[in-house]
Amino acid sequence: AQTVTQSQPEMSVQEAETVTLSCTYDTSESDYYLFWYKQPPSRQMILVIRQEAYKQQNATENRFSVNFQKAAKSFSLKISDSQLGDAAMYFCAYRRGGTSYGKLTFGQGTILTVHP
Amino acid sequence: DAGVTQSPTHLIKTRGQHVTLRCSPISGHKSVSWYQQVLGQGPQFIFQYYEKEERGRGNFPDRFSARQFPNYSSELNVNALLLGDSALYLCASSFSVGSHQETQYFGPGTRLLVL
Repeated sequence: AQTVTQSQPEMSVQEAETVTLSCTYDTSESDYYLFWYKQPPSRQMILVIRQEAYKQQNATENRFSVNFQKAAKSFSLKISDSQLGDAAMYFCAYRRGGTSYGKLTFGQGTILTVHP
Repeated sequence: DAGVTQSPTHLIKTRGQHVTLRCSPISGHKSVSWYQQVLGQGPQFIFQYYEKEERGRGNFPDRFSARQFPNYSSELNVNALLLGDSALYLCASSFSVGSHQETQYFGPGTRLLVL
């Protein structure tokens, strides 16, 4: 069974600084997708970024980028120029590819605090 | 376009009762997935439906059931409620399942409290 581990229960960053959230996963599959979701205190889960395992290039979305290390099964999220609105719970998630259904497996989450 | 909508937003039930949670997917999305999120933890997969057929089931007891309607909306039913069923229930929709294009978009959730 696939597992996703986020080893940082809490992280903090100063506004305008950069922070990196860690995620590792365990799978025997070669075809899969990885995601970072953000859940603000209002609780709606928002997709931040996705990465296809077959792509070597790291995904980027504006201030958000990932460091995807397939051999190490590591998928970290870097937030540049942190803003107060980035404060939230961040979840790393895994989805197996090549199947007839798309179950997401989530990590335990990392609470990010942004200090003004 | 409207996102995923869920109703009700909050619900209080007592042990042994039954509850029905509802979800409307994003327009054009044909798949709905349900997740349970206990406070302080990551969501756990319950069900996925695509074109009204169950495509996946997580490790939840038979007290949990779901269905998808012709308009792709969905209901999650939980019978014989236990205190441990208290959680945020999230619905997510996607255009397809298991494909490259699939990305799940989440609704705001229904907060269920069982007393």
